[in-house]
Order: sequence, then C-alpha cells, then structure tokens
Amino acid sequence: TQLLEQSPQFLSIQEGENLTVYCNSSSVFSSLQWYRQEPGEGPVLLVTVVTGGEVKKLKRLTFQFGDARKDSSLHITAAQPGDTGLYLCAGARGGNKLTFGTGTQLKVEL
Amino acid sequence: DTAVSQTPKYLVTQMGNDKSIKCEQNLGHDTMYWYKQDSKKFLKIMFSYNNKELIINETVPNRFSPKSPDKAHLNLHINSLELGDSAVYFCASSQWLSTGAGANVLTFGAGSRLTVL
Repeated sequence: TQLLEQSPQFLSIQEGENLTVYCNSSSVFSSLQWYRQEPGEGPVLLVTVVTGGEVKKLKRLTFQFGDARKDSSLHITAAQPGDTGLYLCAGARGGNKLTFGTGTQLKVEL
Repeated sequence: DTAVSQTPKYLVTQMGNDKSIKCEQNLGHDTMYWYKQDSKKFLKIMFSYNNKELIINETVPNRFSPKSPDKAHLNLHINSLELGDSAVYFCASSQWLSTGAGANVLTFGAGSRLTVL
C-alpha cells in the first residue's frame, strides 16, 4: 500500500495567518493532486503536479512537488475563513488509480 | 446540472439489511469509481469500472457488489449490512488515461452517508 501521510492532521488558525500542509510518502508518484472537501460535499480538485520540483500557484495557494516525486506541500498565504475544509493529497503511479492521503482538516477563524 | 449525482444522500438502516446506492454522471466520462470515507476522513478506493468493465477491485467484502449497466451509471449494492459499513460512500468519474498520458482527474459526487444501527 502506497501510504500518503499528511501533516498536520488538524490545523486551527486565525484569518490572515500563513500555513503549510505536508504530504509525504516513501513511494514515487507519477503525479500528485490536491483536493479540498467541504462538509457534505465530495472532494474537488485544486491542482495537479507532475514534474519533480514543480511549483504551481492558485491565487493564495502554492503547491510544490518534491524533487524526488515522493512528497508535496501546500502553502496558503493570508488564510481566509473560506479556506476552511479538508485538504487531501492524492498520488498516482502511472495508472488510473489514485491513492489518497490521510487528510488535513483546516479551520480558519475570524 | 449536477455532474455526478448519488442517491440517496442519507441512508439509515438496521444490521443485516440489504441496501443500494445509485450513481449517475453526465460528464461523458468512461470510468467510474466507488470510494469509502471512514470516520477519520480517510478516502479509500473500493471499485472502478471502465466502459462497464471492472478494472479495480480492492480488498472489499463480497457483500459489496457494484453494477454498471452503462458507462454513465455505477450502482453499489450491499448485502447483510454490518456496523462497520457505516461511512460516507463517494462515487466519482473520470476519463480513462493511457499510460503516460498525464494525470487522472476525478469528479466526485456529494456522497451518501450510510448509518448502520
């Protein structure tokens, strides 16, 4: 099983703070995705990274794929209450099967 | 227009009963999935169908039987429900990728919360 460990598991911060979520594995992935899930809804794709060392930005969110393609990070600048949700990384090994990470529950308070 | 729709959204039933969850997608995708999300929010794949053919079958009890009448529908039938089956079940769809063709992008339904009493 290609386990993807996310840290931290829970994060509660104030509006305006910065944060980083980590997704680590001992396995190499051909691509890695980040999803956000809100209560009562399914996960929604935020980004896909496919090249080792790749950095992608989505407004205040910055995603990085590790050089060895075993890990990834998600950095949020100036967090807002609308960023609240469950963040899930998911890795693929060249196929159509995604393995999801253990999840990070983020709460941003006013 | 909902892209991936699941019914019912909530299901409460007694141990030992048989229940089904239905899923339909209108995205024109050829691959559909069932995922189980446990109380710790861990999302694990159960099954995947490509053009009505079963392609992924993880270690799931035989009490779970998926059925895909066509590539736009994937239903999940569960026999003899147990307490441990309580979870949120997510249906998802995507377009099948050839090896090396990039990354698979899943579109999820809103989930079906199953509670077994």
